[in-house]
Amino acid sequence: KAGVTQTPRYLIKTRGQQVTLSCSPISGHRSVSWYQQTPGQGLQFLFEYFSETQRNKGNFPGRFSGRQFSNSRSEMNVSTLELGDSALYLCASRATSGNTEAFFGQGTRLTVV
Amino acid sequence: TQLLEQSPQFLSIQEGENLTVYCNSSSVFSSLQWYRQEPGEGPVLLVTVVTGGEVKKLKRLTFQFGDARKDSSLHITAAQPGDTGLYLCAGLTSEGGKLIFGQGTELSVKP
Repeated sequence: KAGVTQTPRYLIKTRGQQVTLSCSPISGHRSVSWYQQTPGQGLQFLFEYFSETQRNKGNFPGRFSGRQFSNSRSEMNVSTLELGDSALYLCASRATSGNTEAFFGQGTRLTVV
Repeated sequence: TQLLEQSPQFLSIQEGENLTVYCNSSSVFSSLQWYRQEPGEGPVLLVTVVTGGEVKKLKRLTFQFGDARKDSSLHITAAQPGDTGLYLCAGLTSEGGKLIFGQGTELSVKP
């Protein structure tokens, strides 16, 4: 059974640009959550999608948005990139929204210059 | 706001030593998970503890969930260089699938 797949693995963008990251969850999993990981703040919750609906949102500005498709694949978009958005963005797959076990992808390393 | 405080933040030990990592909160979590993360990779789930007082063992790793489900510990016996990595505790909140993470413990085991 394939794991969680995130693409791309690495990305370099310029300030002011926008970026879209993709996550394909484990087959059969319907919940996808996104996290931002930085050395200073650790892992912080961005949002969770379940059955194409956003169920939870963390304390991030509106520049961070996401969506989920009918096949459970999810995308995360960051507009008007800032230097501080440089981070490892991780996607977590869960069978259902209330299921305890979350499985993470390898992440997308975003560098904003 | 639910917070998880993890300690110590850094740990450098010699192969064969024992160690304990702590994860504490003033909030109750429905479950608590421990992950291990290597540089440039995503966290890998080690264990989930659900019941207060629960103890789980994974080879040389022992995980404990506090009776009140507010704290947890990870004990490693006879650490090996392969145990090197970032250990993260994460609590599942009542808000569906939202996980609250501790800051992590960076463990280095020297041969």
